[in-house]
Order: sequence, then C-alpha cells, then structure tokens
Amino acid sequence: EVQLVESGGGLVQPGGSLRLSCAASGFTFSTYDMHWVRQVTGKGLEWVSVINTAGDTYYADSVKGRFTISRENAKNSLYLQMNALRADDTAVYHCTRGVTGGLDSWGQGTVVTVSS
Amino acid sequence: QSVLTQPPSVSAAPGQRVTISCSGSSANIGSEYVSWYQKLPGIAPKLLICEDNKRPSGIPDRFSGSKSGTSATLGITGLQTGDEADYYCGAWDRSLSAGVFGGGTKLTVL
Repeated sequence: EVQLVESGGGLVQPGGSLRLSCAASGFTFSTYDMHWVRQVTGKGLEWVSVINTAGDTYYADSVKGRFTISRENAKNSLYLQMNALRADDTAVYHCTRGVTGGLDSWGQGTVVTVSS
Repeated sequence: QSVLTQPPSVSAAPGQRVTISCSGSSANIGSEYVSWYQKLPGIAPKLLICEDNKRPSGIPDRFSGSKSGTSATLGITGLQTGDEADYYCGAWDRSLSAGVFGGGTKLTVL
C-alpha cells in the first residue's frame, strides 16, 4: 500500500524557515516524480513544486527563490525547505506522487502557520 | 485568479447527472493531460480522473472525464449525497513550467 506521511509543519514567524519532510513507502520511490501541493483553509488547491526522477525541479512563481524541493531516494524521502516565509504561505502542505497525467497518491498533509 | 477556470458551484438532485467544466489554454489543457480530484474537508484529495479520461483503480464508472480543445469536463452520474465535495481540475502548464489547478467547484446534491 502506498503511504505518504508529511511532517515538519508548525508555527513560524514571518521571515522564518521550516523544513517539511515526506516519508514514502509501499512503492519504488526513486522511479516517481514527487510534488508538493498546498491548500489554504477555505481556499483551493495550489501546486507548489515538483522534483522529477532526474532531480530536475520546478516551482510556482509564488514560492520561487524562497522554497527548495529535494529528495533522498536512499531514504525514500521528499523535502521542502521553506525560507523567508510569509503569512500567505499559511496552509496545509501535501506531499503527492506524480504519475502520467495526474497525482495519484496524497499524504494527509502537515499544517504550516506563519504568524507573529 | 486560477489559470484554469471552473464554475464555483453546481448542484443536482440525487440520482441525476452533473457536469463540471474546466477551461484553460493551449499551454495547459490544449497540450497536456487533465486530471480531476475530489476534496472532502479534512481528507486528502483523491484522484478521480487522469490522462483526460482514465479512471484509476477503485474509482466507480459513475465518474468520467472528457476533453475538447482547451476545455475539459468531469461528469458524475447517479449522484449520491456522498458525492458532495469540492472538485478540482489540474494540468501541467508548458508556458509556466508549473502545475496548475482550477479554483474548485463545490458540488451540492440537493
């Protein structure tokens, strides 16, 4: 069974940093693109970033230059380093697995709150 | 404003059929696969449709997807109260080199 479990969320002050982690199991992690998607309470889904199997990375304009996605295949883990956090980064962050034409498995999410 | 455009809400009676539209451009829907997701409060999104019209294992055939040009449609037949949720379309955007979602559509089963 595919499982994705996020951790690392919490309360941080504006301008601060957090590192999210996603532990993957039940599949060959290294052979899948992995994404982060977030959702602000009461708002829609927002795609954040992807890292493909070759290690290429892409970001939403809203986080470019502040967030860094990475993966450690030996540990079946995905990461999101978030710097210069702003109030509008407050959201639930989901780790999700990319397949052809979709995102087929999602973690329950970790809550990030940016507030003073 | 979302790159993909969905109606904010749709409604229909139990047992009826409903469609949800998703409009984009040649940079996303017109040239990339469309996917659809169901989102219930407090629960992770669920993939309903991938590759424009394919249902992942376990998704009932009451759910269907189609695409024409730069627009896509999710269809749900035999509506059940359990189908009440928010529905999102998604795609890759070649111009942005980024994933994009629609703003979401709230389905009410009257």
